[in-house]
Amino acid sequence: GDSVTQMEGPVTLSEEAFLTINCTYTATGYPSLFWYVQYPGEGLQLLLKATKADDKGSNKGFEATYRKETTSFHLEKGSVQVSDSAVYFCALGENAGGTSYGKLTFGQGTILTVHP
Amino acid sequence: EAGVAQSPRYKIIEKRQSVAFWCNPISGHATLYWYQQILGQGPKLLIQFQNNGVVDDSQLPKDRFSAERLKGVDSTLKIQPAKLEDSAVYLCASSLSSVQFFGPGTRLTVL
Repeated sequence: GDSVTQMEGPVTLSEEAFLTINCTYTATGYPSLFWYVQYPGEGLQLLLKATKADDKGSNKGFEATYRKETTSFHLEKGSVQVSDSAVYFCALGENAGGTSYGKLTFGQGTILTVHP
Repeated sequence: EAGVAQSPRYKIIEKRQSVAFWCNPISGHATLYWYQQILGQGPKLLIQFQNNGVVDDSQLPKDRFSAERLKGVDSTLKIQPAKLEDSAVYLCASSLSSVQFFGPGTRLTVL
């Protein structure tokens, strides 16, 4: 079945450092890929998405490129801020066809802490 | 636009008791999902509804878990009887497209 593997955490960085969180996936068909973020005390929020190979999703300075050849969707940010401290989840979404969408399969999450 | 609403936010019960969670999705969203998130793990789908019909309940432990969405809007997830391993956050999500919007979750502790 479908699966998502994220890099082991937690990740601790100083403000303005470069961030990479690795994500690889296994899937049949042509899934959509997502990064969700969970800030302390809040629910899961969509950070960015990509729906087909070579698409780049971006939001709030974060980027990720859908790489079919390496089955990867790594999250990057050039300069992190203290406010980026959160748990980041990579997820794979089934495209069930037409207007129907299936479940999300999540990675285990990566805790990011950014120090001033 | 109002987000996905869930209640209660927290619940503590003893094992073998029953518990119910409620979800009100974003208005107009036909698809509703219930996920279980155990501490330190990513959410895992329990059940997916399209309007008031079940699309996927393959991971729902049907001997103790049940869910309904009678009028195609609100949904209720029930556990009866609860086990210690059911301690988790139960997330409700809704969607109109490939993007799912999540509620704040209900944190269940089974003692």
